[in-house]
Amino acid sequence: DIVMTQSPDSLAVSLGEGATINCKSSQSVLYTSNKKNYIAWYQQKAGQPPKLLIYWASTRESGVPDRFSGSGSGTDFTLTISSLQAADVAVYYCQQYYSVPHTFGQGTKLEIK
Amino acid sequence: EVQLVQSGAEVKKPGETLKISCKGSGYSFSTYWIGWVRQMPGKGPEWMGIIFPYDSDTRYSPSFQGQVTISADKSISTAYLQWSSLKASDTAMYYCARRGVEDVLTAYDYWGQGTPVTVSP
Repeated sequence: DIVMTQSPDSLAVSLGEGATINCKSSQSVLYTSNKKNYIAWYQQKAGQPPKLLIYWASTRESGVPDRFSGSGSGTDFTLTISSLQAADVAVYYCQQYYSVPHTFGQGTKLEIK
Repeated sequence: EVQLVQSGAEVKKPGETLKISCKGSGYSFSTYWIGWVRQMPGKGPEWMGIIFPYDSDTRYSPSFQGQVTISADKSISTAYLQWSSLKASDTAMYYCARRGVEDVLTAYDYWGQGTPVTVSP
């Protein structure tokens, strides 16, 4: 199985400030034939299912605000929130869908400072 | 509008059987993979397995292989997750999710609302 490790486990950021969450995979999730990184980022608010934010490591899902961005390649990835809003309080997960099982990171809890 | 609607909350005893469902609508159900995800209380999501309803091709996580059965009935656009003998440790929220397609298979773009399962003596 590919192990996904996120850092930090929790993060407190002031409104309007930026937030960065990291995700590392135990092996490369870059599919060389199509040059795509098989990484997604999800946001989960209390009592709700996960919501897809980013796929292919950097493609925003339709309707996701542009303050959310993803970057990285190979084994190291980052989710950046450029200007934190109160609505962004949630737990964020990365997931690899390169190979079965499609494993998730342990999550990063984002709070307002 | 794409929707995945899951069956309701379940309270069961250890050793009992259970089958929960996930009904898709608003898209061609049989041609999109459907995955199942477990989320234990206060924990992160765990990927359990996935099925392609068109031909019932199914893949399991080694952690869940033999513990659950994933199936689908494409005629009624419904996927299932079942247990033959529940344990207290199966207490969790279970989500179904559709795997998207964009020339190639992508991430999980639509999720069901979740089915809470409680297993208690």
